[in-house]
Amino acid sequence: NAGVTQTPKFRVLKTGQSMTLLCAQDMNHEYMYWYRQDPGMGLRLIHYSVGEGTTAKGEVPDGYNVSRLKKQNFLLGLESAAPSQTSVYFCASRPDRVHEQFFGPGTRLTVL
Amino acid sequence: DAKTTQPPSMDCAEGRAANLPCNHSTISGNEYVYWYRQIHSQGPQYIIHGLKNNETNEMASLIITEDRKSSTLILPHATLRDTAVYYCIVRVIETNAGKSTFGDGTTLTVKP
Repeated sequence: NAGVTQTPKFRVLKTGQSMTLLCAQDMNHEYMYWYRQDPGMGLRLIHYSVGEGTTAKGEVPDGYNVSRLKKQNFLLGLESAAPSQTSVYFCASRPDRVHEQFFGPGTRLTVL
Repeated sequence: DAKTTQPPSMDCAEGRAANLPCNHSTISGNEYVYWYRQIHSQGPQYIIHGLKNNETNEMASLIITEDRKSSTLILPHATLRDTAVYYCIVRVIETNAGKSTFGDGTTLTVKP
């Protein structure tokens, strides 16, 4: 049982490039979340999903897209990266009617 | 979701109890209080949650005031490994989503 995993762990992009971050969970959780954390600050919710095939906007969705084609995977896409998207990205999941969110180890993204 | 206010930093002596306060004066009746912690830029870790009553688990105790406008997380015997950023979050866990907005948290430093 690997829990929540994130790929890649680190990435450097140039402005305007695109990339996809992968979050995978093997716990059969219904809900999945993408957060970003800027230096010295708390986490902010980007997008979330309440089940396979569904997505919804969080607090800071602009510049990101997401997809949840399979229950175990939640993808976060950056179509045209900007320096303001330099951050650490965390994915989380939780089962239905359970309060605890389980977090992945994070992806550190730098946009030059 | 209600906003929370936490002190930016606190120190605690190893072996002593750490008491971390959180103010959530605008909390609604159906909003829970959650505590997470983040150790050295790892993914956040769930600690405890509560609605009205005080709660205790193997990690900590949560004391919620009768008017629910504030709460205190208690680590009964702090160790050096408890040094982390502690986040107090207030939210509704709906049947379709349990969104979280993490504020800036309290940096707890446990000293020998």
